[in-house]
Amino acid sequence: GESVGLHLPTLSVQEGDNSIINCAYSNSASDYFIWYKQESGKGPQFIIDIRSNMDKRQGQRVTVLLNKTVKHLSLQIAATQPGDSAVYFCAENFGAGGTSYGKLTFGQGTILTVHP
Amino acid sequence: GAGVSQSPSNKVTEKGKDVELRCDPISGHTALYWYRQRLGQGLEFLIYFQGNSAPDKSGLPSDRFSAERTGESVSTLTIQRTQQEDSAVYLCASSLGPRGSGANVLTFGAGSRLTVL
Repeated sequence: GESVGLHLPTLSVQEGDNSIINCAYSNSASDYFIWYKQESGKGPQFIIDIRSNMDKRQGQRVTVLLNKTVKHLSLQIAATQPGDSAVYFCAENFGAGGTSYGKLTFGQGTILTVHP
Repeated sequence: GAGVSQSPSNKVTEKGKDVELRCDPISGHTALYWYRQRLGQGLEFLIYFQGNSAPDKSGLPSDRFSAERTGESVSTLTIQRTQQEDSAVYLCASSLGPRGSGANVLTFGAGSRLTVL
């Protein structure tokens, strides 16, 4: 079946470095993508989202890039801080082409560790 | 409330017992979702409520799993005759409207960790 997956299960960076977390998706009908951050013992926290009619979206210290040609999504975190240490999940939604509600398909997650 | 509340936060039960997990969504959120997260894995969709109806139950693993929602408020996920493979964190999320994006982005609770011995 179609799924969302991650290239790198773990990523270790030094404080102040930029981090890039990658995600591959296989459903070309997906029209909406989200990144969530999950800290230990907590539920996923929304970071940033992007629609399929865009290829880049920026937030505070975060940027999401979408490459529909190769079905690839990435999350860039600028000036990574120890507080950014968490598991990061990408998720896709088959919105307009399928469901019209928030049924998300999640990837496995990438563990980001930021060293002081 | 300020966020999505789930209870209990931890539940340890014996194989074969029934368990109930509760979710209090954000006030005014019409859409409610249950997801399951196995150790070290991503979230799996279980069920979606719009109001008190469940248009999509496709993720429920078996007929041992059921869920109810009272109006646009509390939801209960019930697992009957629990098995060891049911051990996971069960996460509830709610959104302002059904779309799940933009103003309707899903807000998750902290989850209920279920351990079946």
